Amino acid sequence: AQTVTQSQPEMSVQEAETVTLSCTYDTSESDYYLFWYKQPPSRQMILVIRQEAYKQQNATENRFSVNFQKAAKSFSLKISDSQLGDAAMYFCAYRSPTGSEKLVFGKGTKLTVNP
Amino acid sequence: NAGVTQTPKFQVLKTGQSMTLQCAQDMNHEYMSWYRQDPGMGLRLIHYSVGAGITDQGEVPNGYNVSRSTTEDFPLRLLSAAPSQTSVYFCASSYFSGRGGSNYGYTFGSGTRLTVV
Repeated sequence: AQTVTQSQPEMSVQEAETVTLSCTYDTSESDYYLFWYKQPPSRQMILVIRQEAYKQQNATENRFSVNFQKAAKSFSLKISDSQLGDAAMYFCAYRSPTGSEKLVFGKGTKLTVNP
Repeated sequence: NAGVTQTPKFQVLKTGQSMTLQCAQDMNHEYMSWYRQDPGMGLRLIHYSVGAGITDQGEVPNGYNVSRSTTEDFPLRLLSAAPSQTSVYFCASSYFSGRGGSNYGYTFGSGTRLTVV
């Protein structure tokens, strides 16, 4: 079974600075999908960015980008020019394209943005 | 607005009571699932469905029941509530990754905070 590990329970960053959240995963599959979800205090789960494993190019969405290292099974999220509104829980998640296709989550990283 | 609608947003139950959490989506997604979120545990899968009439267990299914009679609806039933079921519950839906093109992400409802006393 696939597992997702987020080794940083909490992180903090100064406003306008850059922060990187770590995520590693374990799988024997060669094709899969990876996600970062943001959960602000409103508790809504918001999709931040997604990556298909067969694509070598790292995904980018405005200030959010990933560093996808397939061989190392690593999928880190970089937030540039951090804003107060970025403060939230961030979850890394894995989806297999076969079988049940269920989404497997890491335990999350709480990001604090200091003014 | 298209999306996943969960009701209620908050609920307090007494131990032993039963209730149903409602979930509906209007995006014609085949895949629907229920997760529970507990502090420090991330989101854990309770039950999921790959289409009308088809359901299966996830990681933490005990004490919960589901059915899926239509593509749109996927209710979660608590049969006899216990304090251990105090949690935040999320419903989520998605296309199958092969059918949705680039749209293979999950859409989540706004969650239900359930307290069992």
